[in-house]
Amino acid sequence: DAGVIQSPRHEVTEMGQEVTLRCKPISGHNSLFWYRQTMMRGLELLIYFNNNVPIDDSGMPEDRFSAKMPNASFSTLKIQPSEPRDSAVYFCASSASSGNTIYFGEGSWLTVV
Amino acid sequence: KNEVEQSPQNLTAQEGEFITINCSYSVGISALHWLQQHPGGGIVSLFMLSSGKKKHGRLIATINIQEKHSSLHITASHPRDSAVYICAVVKATNKLIFGTGTLLAVQP
Repeated sequence: DAGVIQSPRHEVTEMGQEVTLRCKPISGHNSLFWYRQTMMRGLELLIYFNNNVPIDDSGMPEDRFSAKMPNASFSTLKIQPSEPRDSAVYFCASSASSGNTIYFGEGSWLTVV
Repeated sequence: KNEVEQSPQNLTAQEGEFITINCSYSVGISALHWLQQHPGGGIVSLFMLSSGKKKHGRLIATINIQEKHSSLHITASHPRDSAVYICAVVKATNKLIFGTGTLLAVQP
């Protein structure tokens, strides 16, 4: 398997623009996680899905952030409008079921200027 | 107070030394992960523990559920072990809570 695939790997955008990050989990995994990593706050869980259903979105910073998982093989994290403080590395991860090993994508490095 | 605390925050060792990184948590958990993040950002899961001890090569992870404490040990450390090591606990809702990480530098 190719592992968790994220795109884009790097994005630089202007404040106010919409940003869409994409994730393809490992085939057969039923849990998908979106994390954000910054120097100041470390790794934080934004949202996670189980069987395509959002289970916990308490980590989503505010209404500018939204995430969808229309099917078992694809998820998006959208920021609209983006702000400089959204600059971070966004990781997607998946696992086979609760409590199993988690596999991370390589991350999407976002810079909002 | 953070729900997951790691120590030390920074660690410099000489090649060959035995290394221990500690993780303490204050919440009920179903499992604990040790993650490794190399410069460049990729995150790899090293261990997932719910009890006892696991060993993989030169890495050993232990957990004491009663004491809410886990340790990651590296035997015969090598410069390629230099990375950030992150402890993460799984709460009952499957939510991961991360420690702040330990930056390890192993010098030749």
